[in-house]
Amino acid sequence: DIVMTQTPLSSGVTLGQPASISCRSGQSLVHSDGNTYLNWLQQRPGQPLRLLIYRVSNRFSGVPDRFSGSGTGTDFTLNISRVEAEDAGVYYCMQGARFPYTFGQGTNLELK
Amino acid sequence: VQLVESGGGLVQPGGSLKLSCAASGFTLSSYAIHWVRQTSGGLEWLGRMRSKANGDATIYLGSVQGRFIISRDESKNTAFLQMHSLETEDTAVYYCSRQATTGTTLDSWGQGTLVTVSS
Repeated sequence: DIVMTQTPLSSGVTLGQPASISCRSGQSLVHSDGNTYLNWLQQRPGQPLRLLIYRVSNRFSGVPDRFSGSGTGTDFTLNISRVEAEDAGVYYCMQGARFPYTFGQGTNLELK
Repeated sequence: VQLVESGGGLVQPGGSLKLSCAASGFTLSSYAIHWVRQTSGGLEWLGRMRSKANGDATIYLGSVQGRFIISRDESKNTAFLQMHSLETEDTAVYYCSRQATTGTTLDSWGQGTLVTVSS
């Protein structure tokens, strides 16, 4: 199974400041179709999981442009340019390149 | 697009439970559906059923293979997760998720249903 390792596991951020979360995969996430299936999910308190970024760097419908994703190979990053109050929650990276799909441990983003 | 899980509850070890995932806003059989669970330890992918056009093929996490079965009822636009021989370690919130039409991205998620396995 592909192990997904996120850092940090917890981050305190001041409103209006940037935030960054890293995700490292134990293997390449390049699928047989040539795409890299690394996704970022958000889980706000009491809310369902929400897709933010798909295939490394594509923002999903309705996701604010302060969220961006980058990376190649086995190292990926989620950036929030200016954190807003509604961004508090847990963020997960997830790989969909090989079965079984696997998730990072989650990063708890707290507002200072 | 909405997915609503139901059917969770308290079940004794060794028991069975069938979860439902009702879809609205789209035709469930046109998409692959996945089940994922969440414990205090994190998120765990359980399995997938492909779309009807792709033959409804299923694949499961090794540790639930033979115990969990994903199915679908087109007339109800609903997917199911049948779980047998439940263990205390199966206690979790269970989510269904829709796979996008292209690629493997899971683009929509339900709110989850809690399953507690305890005597």
